[in-house]
Amino acid sequence: DVKVTQSSRYLVKRTGEKVFLECVQDMDHENMFWYRQDPGLGLRLIYFSYDVKMKEKGDIPEGYSVSREKKERFSLILESASTNQTSMYLCASSRDRGHQPQHFGDGTRLSIL
Amino acid sequence: GEDVEQSLFLSVREGDSSVINCTYTDSSSTYLYWYKQEPGAGLQLLTYIFSNMDMKQDQRLTVLLNKKDKHLSLRIADTQTGDSAIYFCAESIGNTGKLIFGQGTTLQVKP
Repeated sequence: DVKVTQSSRYLVKRTGEKVFLECVQDMDHENMFWYRQDPGLGLRLIYFSYDVKMKEKGDIPEGYSVSREKKERFSLILESASTNQTSMYLCASSRDRGHQPQHFGDGTRLSIL
Repeated sequence: GEDVEQSLFLSVREGDSSVINCTYTDSSSTYLYWYKQEPGAGLQLLTYIFSNMDMKQDQRLTVLLNKKDKHLSLRIADTQTGDSAIYFCAESIGNTGKLIFGQGTTLQVKP
């Protein structure tokens, strides 16, 4: 089974802090994705990556950046956290660019105070 | 552009069948997925169907696809309280690896 692990289930940070959310997958998947989930808005794609050191903007990249230095790890960075970035963050991976299902981690519930 | 629509809420009694509906817009060959999200957790892949199929059954789950109307449904037989969750329909987009998700349907199962 594919295992996608997000480093924290719950995280509380302060406005202006630099925040790192980490995600690791163990199936040698090429693709990795970061979403945020908010009530009434569903899942929105922030950034994704097709390979090491590659990144693509999703639908809502403003205020975020990503890093993929190793194939198994995809980090989401909030450069200067703001209260409107309080949300549930979900990481996913998939095998390649074909029609493949995405496999999700358990999510990180981030609160910015 | 591609879009996936779902109704937001469904309430059923334990033991009844649940039917969750979804419509999609992509006209090319595609895969369609159903995910389940329990409170406070990530999305769990339940099942999927290719757009040239009509039906797929997996234990209590039946997926029906109406290609003409681009309508997808997930039927859960003998619904249990443990089936209470949010169910997401998703469509695969070309050779991008990306999925388009519906808004999710909250299924409430009453004892």
